[in-house]
This record gives sequence, C-alpha cells and structure tokens, in this order.
Amino acid sequence: DGGITQSPKYLFRKEGQNVTLSCEQNLNHDAMYWYRQDPGQGLRLIYYSQIVNDFQKGDIAEGYSVSREKKESFPLTVTSAQKNPTAFYLCASSIRGLQNQPQHFGDGTRLSIL
Amino acid sequence: GENVEQHPSTLSVQEGDSAVIKCTYSDSASNYFPWYKQELGKRPQLIIDIRSNVGEKKDQRIAVTLNKTAKHFSLHITETQPEDSAVYFCAAGPFSGGGADGLTFGKGTHLIIQP
Repeated sequence: DGGITQSPKYLFRKEGQNVTLSCEQNLNHDAMYWYRQDPGQGLRLIYYSQIVNDFQKGDIAEGYSVSREKKESFPLTVTSAQKNPTAFYLCASSIRGLQNQPQHFGDGTRLSIL
Repeated sequence: GENVEQHPSTLSVQEGDSAVIKCTYSDSASNYFPWYKQELGKRPQLIIDIRSNVGEKKDQRIAVTLNKTAKHFSLHITETQPEDSAVYFCAAGPFSGGGADGLTFGKGTHLIIQP
C-alpha cells in the first residue's frame, strides 16, 4: 500500500550498535505494528500501538524498543541486546474498530549484520 | 498465547486445478482470520479475511471456510493461474475491544502453479 513507507530498504548493523527503522503512514490509521520475518517463517509480532503515546509488547519484544509520539510514525529501534537481528522487518497499520481490522503492510526493511 | 499451524509448507498444482491451504489455531478467543499473499521480496497483501460469526466467504476464485468448533480455517483457490504462485500466510487475531491487536501468523505455504 502506497500509504505506508518504510526506510531504509536495506540496513547494516555493526556489533554493539543500535539502529532505528522508520515507518510512516498517511492513511490516518490509529494502530501500527512491527513484525519480524525470518526465512521460511511466518511473521512474528514485535510491538504494536493502538493509539499515540501507547504501545504494547508482542511475542518477541526483547532487544527492541519503539515510540509513538505522532499518529503517523512508529519507529523501531533494534538494540545491541538483540543478538540475532538479521531479518526482514515489516511495519503495518490499521484503523481501530469494535473488532480486529485488516492490517496493511509497508515494503519492509532488510537488516543485516556487518 | 495463540499458536497457528499451517499446512502444507509447499503445494504444487497444475494450472487450472484447485488449491487448498489449511490452518489450525489454539486460542478460542481468536475471532478474526485473514489470509495474506506475499510475492518474493514484496509486502504481504491481504487477499481475504473472515470473522468468527461467518462460516464461509467468497471473492471470485478465492474462498475461506471457518470451523470454529474444530478451530480450523482453510483457503480455497479455484482455477489456479500462474500469477497465483506466491507464499500464502494465514493469521489469527483475538477479539479486542480496541480492534487493533497484533496477529499471530502461520509459517506460510509456498504455492507453485505448474504450467
């Protein structure tokens, strides 16, 4: 979906370094999500945010941090505590409703270790 | 937490034949079941979804069925075409008053359409 922009497309991290992945959406969606995808695996939820200034841990939050200071932005920081960060990272967003709503994904960021 | 199992991991069918992908889930609180198609190196795209108050939903050549009692749901693609070749993911989401909880995904099925 053209409304969700992830950058950069490729990112390299040195040992002990923190890196931040950007996710911006202009769909006016309240909710945003970060998933990690490894080869041959499904997507695993890292963090999600239902509203500005609020976020919840997903299934694999250790070694990651997020912030949600603006509705349109949900950056993900991969910290040095994440010992196996090499993966494809996908950001998604959705509207909020009385029940779960369809999630729309960005093009992803591929993170590798130098 | 929720656990979603997806089978088969690879499915090869002749062009024009039907393809069926099956998923099971563990959490009876889940009530939202989307299916995503992901082409190599691209973003997952939602192709169809179903909620627990519905047993079946169709959209042209694609249909999804849900058996809430047995906790399984399936994707059916009829009259398969070469452009259907991709990895397909099922997912399950819990009922949420906020309507914006994360999803639990299956590991994916690589669908190959043989000409």
